[in-house]
Amino acid sequence: DAGVIQSPRHEVTEMGQEVTLRCKPISGHNSLFWYRQTMMRGLELLIYFNNNVPIDDSGMPEDRFSAKMPNASFSTLKIQPSEPRDSAVYFCASSFESSRYPETQYFGPGTRLLVL
Amino acid sequence: AQKVTQAQTEISVVEKEDVTLDCVYETRDTTYYLFWYKQPPSGELVFLIRRNSFDEQNEISGRYSWNFQKSTSSFNFTITASQVVDSAVYFCANTGANSKLTFGKGITLSVRP
Repeated sequence: DAGVIQSPRHEVTEMGQEVTLRCKPISGHNSLFWYRQTMMRGLELLIYFNNNVPIDDSGMPEDRFSAKMPNASFSTLKIQPSEPRDSAVYFCASSFESSRYPETQYFGPGTRLLVL
Repeated sequence: AQKVTQAQTEISVVEKEDVTLDCVYETRDTTYYLFWYKQPPSGELVFLIRRNSFDEQNEISGRYSWNFQKSTSSFNFTITASQVVDSAVYFCANTGANSKLTFGKGITLSVRP
């Protein structure tokens, strides 16, 4: 079975440009998570969706960041305009939440973003 | 709120040595979940284990074992007879009733031949 798929795997862009990261969760999973990993802050949750609905976006840094999940098999994380401090590895993860208890999250390979 | 402390930042061992990675968690939830993930040099995050707060049984999987002690709020991970392929960053994480994973800072394990 395919795992979580993320694209692109690497992105280099210039400050001020729009960046769109994409994620396809594991088929059948109903929860999707976006994380950011930096040396300074470690791994931190940005936003998560359940059944395509954003449940908690308290980790989204600022209005420059937005995330959507138009259907069960696709999500995007957009940064507009991008800044050098956004440089990080962005991970997408998914899980199947069958009850009110959290289940194991499986991570994609990540997108390594560099903003010059 | 959840918190995870991995006091060790870097550990270096020689192949075949046993090594224990420490994890101390904080939570106000009566029901919570603990995880270990591995991040090899290639960068992906690989799930290793999930443990529920109501299940304090230790677990062994091949060379890996986990010791969960609620009395000390610890969930330690031991690799027996370490191998070079075990070199990676290991993250401990927890979550409460919601699904928000809180990660520790990670422990960089280097296994030398």
